[in-house]
Amino acid sequence: KAGVTQTPRYLIKTRGQQVTLSCSPISGHRSVSWYQQTPGQGLQFLFEYFSETQRNKGNFPGRFSGRQFSNSRSEMNVSTLELGDSALYLCASRPGQGAYEQYFGPGTRLTVT
Amino acid sequence: GESVGLHLPTLSVQEGDNSIINCAYSNSASDYFIWYKQESGKGPQFIIDIRSNMDKRQGQRVTVLLNKTVKHLSLQIAATQPGDSAVYFCAPPLGRHTGNQFYFGTGTSLTVIP
Repeated sequence: KAGVTQTPRYLIKTRGQQVTLSCSPISGHRSVSWYQQTPGQGLQFLFEYFSETQRNKGNFPGRFSGRQFSNSRSEMNVSTLELGDSALYLCASRPGQGAYEQYFGPGTRLTVT
Repeated sequence: GESVGLHLPTLSVQEGDNSIINCAYSNSASDYFIWYKQESGKGPQFIIDIRSNMDKRQGQRVTVLLNKTVKHLSLQIAATQPGDSAVYFCAPPLGRHTGNQFYFGTGTSLTVIP
């Protein structure tokens, strides 16, 4: 079974721009979560989608948003990029409710200049 | 909110020795804990989990111990190998019924010296 895939793997953007990152979960997994990883803050939860609905949200500004499609693929969007948004963005999928083990993708490395 | 303290942000061990990574948590209602391993350039990978009704769980070369009285977890890796070099996350849930919201923090970076 193919693992979680994320595209693109690397991205360079300028302050003020917006960016969309994509995640394809493991086939059959209905839950997708997004995380931001930085050296200083570690791995922080952004939000989780299950069956196209946002189920949980972390403590991030409204510039960070996401959505999930009917095929469980998910996108996250960051608008008005700031230098501090430079990070590794990780997507994780799991089968659904009650299954806590998450399967992570390799991440998208975003650099904001 | 939840806080997690990893006793050591970095740990170096000799190949073949046993490694112990410690973790303290603050939320006494936490009922499920997961350990993840993140190798350089990769996303975290599930290692082992433990529920609060257990105090010990063993996997292949790994053992997790849970002490609910002092809110402490440890991950023990037997006969540490170079491939064990990675960042390890102790992830308790942020609270009861928070679904998939786990607290990962910055992890402990384990370096295995050949």
